[in-house]
Amino acid sequence: DTEVTQTPKHLVMGMTNKKSLKCEQHMGHRAMYWYKQKAKKPPELMFVYSYEKLSINESVPSRFSPECPNSSLLNLHLHALQPEDSALYLCASSQGREGPGANVLTFGAGSRLTVL
Amino acid sequence: AQTVTQSQPEMSVQEAETVTLSCTYDTSESDYYLFWYKQPPSRQMILVIRQEAYKQQNATENRFSVNFQKAAKSFSLKISDSQLGDAAMYFCASESGGGADGLTFGKGTHLIIQP
Repeated sequence: DTEVTQTPKHLVMGMTNKKSLKCEQHMGHRAMYWYKQKAKKPPELMFVYSYEKLSINESVPSRFSPECPNSSLLNLHLHALQPEDSALYLCASSQGREGPGANVLTFGAGSRLTVL
Repeated sequence: AQTVTQSQPEMSVQEAETVTLSCTYDTSESDYYLFWYKQPPSRQMILVIRQEAYKQQNATENRFSVNFQKAAKSFSLKISDSQLGDAAMYFCASESGGGADGLTFGKGTHLIIQP
């Protein structure tokens, strides 16, 4: 399995809802990431879970919260979002520092989020 | 901190011709990696090519090759024999934290292939 699987592909939610985006990989990768991408812009890093340590981009609001139940899963919990949070959310994984694939990120197909 | 600059918002090339996308970067790290990723309208980011900074030899992958000029901090992508399927947004990116910091992306270049 060489894929990063993201669900759901599309999500529409109201500003008072609580929802989650899920990301799963079975490549034995040691690092997983969440990126936010607005239309015609590059992805912006939100969170990194690398070697069991969570790193947070300080500009990300607290209404986004990551959860890593195990080394294959990285969820993104969404609560009280704003319309400006509407974007494509990309999950990625990498094997980390070592080996021939070191530092290469494999991306999922993305979850398109719309906040009404 | 790292920065990546792509100065061409859009490029257009005839099918079967060759096109070069430009990228410059800045980093204080001695050990880093550079990448070109492709994002077609299907939106999935796909790795095109990867270059380790300590390697002088330019990376190649079939029709895709890079011109890595370390002293100039330049990392351009050449696409030979352009095909309709090459139409996409191309992002140049750098990484130096061993995976801990993710990728730093440029703003992207939209590549149009004219049939």
